Amino acid sequence: AQTVTQSQPEMSVQEAETVTLSCTYDTSESDYYLFWYKQPPSRQMILVIRQEAYKQQNATENRFSVNFQKAAKSFSLKISDSQLGDAAMYFCAFPTSGTYKYIFGTGTRLKVLA
Amino acid sequence: DAGVTQSPTHLIKTRGQQVTLRCSPKSGHDTVSWYQQALGQGPQFIFQYYEEEERQRGNFPDRFSGHQFPNYSSELNVNALLLGDSALYLCASSSPWGPGPYNEQFFGPGTRLTVL
Repeated sequence: AQTVTQSQPEMSVQEAETVTLSCTYDTSESDYYLFWYKQPPSRQMILVIRQEAYKQQNATENRFSVNFQKAAKSFSLKISDSQLGDAAMYFCAFPTSGTYKYIFGTGTRLKVLA
Repeated sequence: DAGVTQSPTHLIKTRGQQVTLRCSPKSGHDTVSWYQQALGQGPQFIFQYYEEEERQRGNFPDRFSGHQFPNYSSELNVNALLLGDSALYLCASSSPWGPGPYNEQFFGPGTRLTVL
């Protein structure tokens, strides 16, 4: 079965510092996508960053970047220069191969300290 | 351009009742997925609608049903409500363009359902 695991229920980071959120997954597929979604307290979930498994290069979107280790099935999110607006729940998500069903992790609550 | 909208925002029902939640997808999107998010948990996939048909279904009982209209909007119906159905119900839409199952999903703000 395909699974997604986020082992950090909560993380804290000082404003302007860097934080890394962890995600591991399990699949037997060789080509797939991985996503990080952010859910602020207002609840509307938005896409932060996406990684295509066949690409060697780690995805980057401004202050957000991933460390994708395909062999280890690890997909961590690094947030640089953390801002108060980064405080939210972060979910790692994995669309199961050949289907349209997304599997989400249990989430990591990120607190940003001023 | 309006994003994904959902109504109502909040809803309170009692056990055994039936509820209908509504979703309008982002302009240009033809696919709608529904998720249940219990407090402190990640979203759980309920089902996805495409071309007015249920294309994929998660592990939810038949009490959960849906519909998609010709304008791509969608409804989620839940019959015989249980206390455990209390959750945030999220609707997500996606575009017909892109890598199919791996298209980015755009989420609505959700409907908070409380079952007493």
